Amino acid sequence: AQTVTQSQPEMSVQEAETVTLSCTYDTSESNYYLFWYKQPPSRQMILVIRQEAYKQQNATENRFSVNFQKAAKSFSLKISDSQLGDTAMYFCAFMNGGGATNKLIFGTGTLLAVQP
Amino acid sequence: ETGVTQSPTHLIKTRGQQVTLRCSSQSGHNTVSWYQQALGQGPQFIFQYYREEENGRGNFPPRFSGLQFPNYSSELNVNALELDDSALYLCASSKDRLPSSSGNTIYFGEGSWLTVV
Repeated sequence: AQTVTQSQPEMSVQEAETVTLSCTYDTSESNYYLFWYKQPPSRQMILVIRQEAYKQQNATENRFSVNFQKAAKSFSLKISDSQLGDTAMYFCAFMNGGGATNKLIFGTGTLLAVQP
Repeated sequence: ETGVTQSPTHLIKTRGQQVTLRCSSQSGHNTVSWYQQALGQGPQFIFQYYREEENGRGNFPPRFSGLQFPNYSSELNVNALELDDSALYLCASSKDRLPSSSGNTIYFGEGSWLTVV
């Protein structure tokens, strides 16, 4: 069974600074995808970034980038130039690429507060 | 805006009652999944519907059931409500049921808050 662990329940960062959120996962699969989702107070899950396990290059989306360490089963999210609108709950999620469904397995989340 | 709409947004039910939650998937999406998110937790997969058939199920009892209609909208039904069923229920839609490297992004609705008293 796959598991996703986020060991930082809460984090705080000053506006314009950089912050890194941690995520580790456990799987015996070789084909999988990893995601970071943002959940603001509106509660709607918004995809931040996606990483395919077979790609060695770390994914980037504007101010968001990941550090994907496959051997260590680590998948951290770096947010550069933090903005007040980045304040939200961030979830790391795993998807088995060979599964019969596209179900996501989520971690418990990290609450990020961006301070002015 | 993800194009996934859920109703109702909030509701309160009494233990033992039944509830139906509704979801309209994004246009062109034939796959709908439901997740339960308890307070302070990450979402947990309940089940997935693909072209009107249940295509996979998480670790939830049979009193959690669902439907998908020809227009790919979906319902989640929960019978014999228990206090622990109090949670945010999220609907997610995608173009297809299978994982893929691109083009099959999962879009979530804003959820239905269920409180069981």
